[in-house]
Amino acid sequence: AQSVTQPDIHITVSEGASLELRCNYSYGATPYLFWYVQSPGQGLQLLLKYFSGDTLVQGIKGFEAEFKRSQSSFNLRKPSVHWSDAAEYFCAVGPLYNNNDMRFGAGTRLTVKP
Amino acid sequence: DGGITQSPKYLFRKEGQNVTLSCEQNLNHDAMYWYRQDPGQGLRLIYYSQIVNDFQKGDIAEGYSVSREKKESFPLTVTSAQKNPTAFYLCASRPKSGGAAGANVLTFGAGSRLTVL
Repeated sequence: AQSVTQPDIHITVSEGASLELRCNYSYGATPYLFWYVQSPGQGLQLLLKYFSGDTLVQGIKGFEAEFKRSQSSFNLRKPSVHWSDAAEYFCAVGPLYNNNDMRFGAGTRLTVKP
Repeated sequence: DGGITQSPKYLFRKEGQNVTLSCEQNLNHDAMYWYRQDPGQGLRLIYYSQIVNDFQKGDIAEGYSVSREKKESFPLTVTSAQKNPTAFYLCASRPKSGGAAGANVLTFGAGSRLTVL
């Protein structure tokens, strides 16, 4: 069965420091991978997605993620974190179509220290 | 601007009552979804609908019901049979499958927080 694991429940980084959020997945077919961000009390916003091609994908707000098939990982990175990046981040895996099979990780909450 | 509107944002329910959460979209999306979010558990699929007058159960449909009478609307009823309804509920939509590579990208509403008193 497909699943997503985000090993870090909560991460704290200083403003200006680099960030890496981990995501590991288990999926029987070709995985399509997503990172979403959620501000408190809000819905989810797509940061980036990987469907095929270049394994390093760029997203909005200066985020990028790298797909590593051999490690079943899709880690999210940002070189320099801003205070406005404080939020909860969700990794998701699913088929290209039919979101009924989409699986979300439990989320990683990011706190940014001044 | 196009988007998804969920209402109410906050809702309180007494035990034994049914409540209905509204979800309206003006994105002309075909498919609509309801997810439940609990702390530390990510999102779990309750129901989804790919066309009008048709919907399917997700992973945790027990105690919930939906309807899809119009393309724009997909209300969720939390019934008294749902034993632990306190949660954050998210509605989402996406374009028809078979289109561009972005077809599986979900657009989310801002959510509704239901608390049982």
